[in-house]
Amino acid sequence: DSGVTQTPKHLITATGQRVTLRCSPRSGDLSVYWYQQSLDQGLQFLIQYYNGEERAKGNILERFSAQQFPDLHSELNLSSLELGDSALYFCASSTRTSGRAGNEQFFGPGTRLTVL
Amino acid sequence: ELKVEQNPLFLSMQEGKNYTIYCNYSTTSDRLYWYRQDPGKSLESLFVLLSNGAVKQEGRLMASLDTKARLSTLHITAAVHDLSATYFCAVVPSTSGTYKYIFGTGTRLKVLA
Repeated sequence: DSGVTQTPKHLITATGQRVTLRCSPRSGDLSVYWYQQSLDQGLQFLIQYYNGEERAKGNILERFSAQQFPDLHSELNLSSLELGDSALYFCASSTRTSGRAGNEQFFGPGTRLTVL
Repeated sequence: ELKVEQNPLFLSMQEGKNYTIYCNYSTTSDRLYWYRQDPGKSLESLFVLLSNGAVKQEGRLMASLDTKARLSTLHITAAVHDLSATYFCAVVPSTSGTYKYIFGTGTRLKVLA
């Protein structure tokens, strides 16, 4: 158990709908990262937050948005869902966004999203 | 475009054998990460390599980093069935100024009894 929690574990929805995925980082971790893992695209970095502020953006679609709250939990919002958005969505956390500590990431169990 | 390539993509090996997984990346980076993922599960951190020449070992796995060659290796010694999983390397480009982790394609390892 990495200490990172994600809810829900599974989500089944229809095209055009909107969903929210939630992540709670390890105690003390200030950075949260979101990833999408699909069979054809592999593991794709979406976005990173550090202590409530966006720090890095990857291949995140405009239909997707995220935020990190004062209690450091994060939410990933996916809207106007398409069939191709079906994937595993992982959240990871780390202690800091920079520095020489290695910034090791700890991954949550993931949310499996199925869009029908 | 930054690329992180792993080879092989698939590896089937007998128990007791040795093998190496390679991770090549196309940009400068002074840190590299190895992860393990079991089917349907999350990613587990294996190694964090922070400098050129870094070598780390845990059980039957040993990882090394050559930043000049932009190459990392994950060596498996005397493989056992429990090592069957998908292994990913990940790189953070030095020039990005941010922490955009770029993951490799993954190597699916199957150890046959």
